Amino acid sequence: GNSVTQMEGPVTLSEEAFLTINCTYTATGYPSLFWYVQYPGEGLQLLLKATKADDKGSNKGFEATYRKETTSFHLEKGSVQVSDSAVYFCALSGNSGYSTLTFGKGTMLLVSP
Amino acid sequence: GAVVSQHPSWVICKSGTSVKIECRSLDFQATTMFWYRQFPKQSLMLMATSNEGSKATYEQGVEKDKFLINHASLTLSTLTVTSAHPEDSSFYICSAPGASGSKNEQFFGPGTRLTVL
Repeated sequence: GNSVTQMEGPVTLSEEAFLTINCTYTATGYPSLFWYVQYPGEGLQLLLKATKADDKGSNKGFEATYRKETTSFHLEKGSVQVSDSAVYFCALSGNSGYSTLTFGKGTMLLVSP
Repeated sequence: GAVVSQHPSWVICKSGTSVKIECRSLDFQATTMFWYRQFPKQSLMLMATSNEGSKATYEQGVEKDKFLINHASLTLSTLTVTSAHPEDSSFYICSAPGASGSKNEQFFGPGTRLTVL
């Protein structure tokens, strides 16, 4: 079955530091890959996505590249801000119909001033 | 864009009572909606798939008689936690797939925090 593995947190960084959150997946076929962000007390918001190999998703300074050869979708940001503190979830879905999402366990990011 | 709302955003109830949570797609129709449960500091676990006009599909280990799902219309799904107990306390989140052309993308509601005393 499908599965997503992401690095455990919390990840603690100072403002303006470089961020990487690793995500690898196991899936049949060609899944779509997503990063969702959850701010404290809120639901999930789509941060970025990629639907095929070598696609790069980007949004709000975050980016991730769909690497089929390494089955990875690592999230990166060049300079984090305090407001980026949240929990980040890597997820995948199949490409047939309304496929359900399989989530990683989430990685908490804490950015200090 | 596609917006999904949930009501209530939080609820506190006594043990043994039932609680209904609504999930609405505000600007699009959703024949399918998904219900997730999230425990503190953990990932989202899919509970069930709500289907308009037919019965919900429950994931393994989820009690269908305890978590009643009704997809009343193309914009509304409800989750009723029956005879709630403290162990049912959790964050419940619904989602709906986007419109055609983005059908493998889901839009999430803001969640409902249930606390059972």
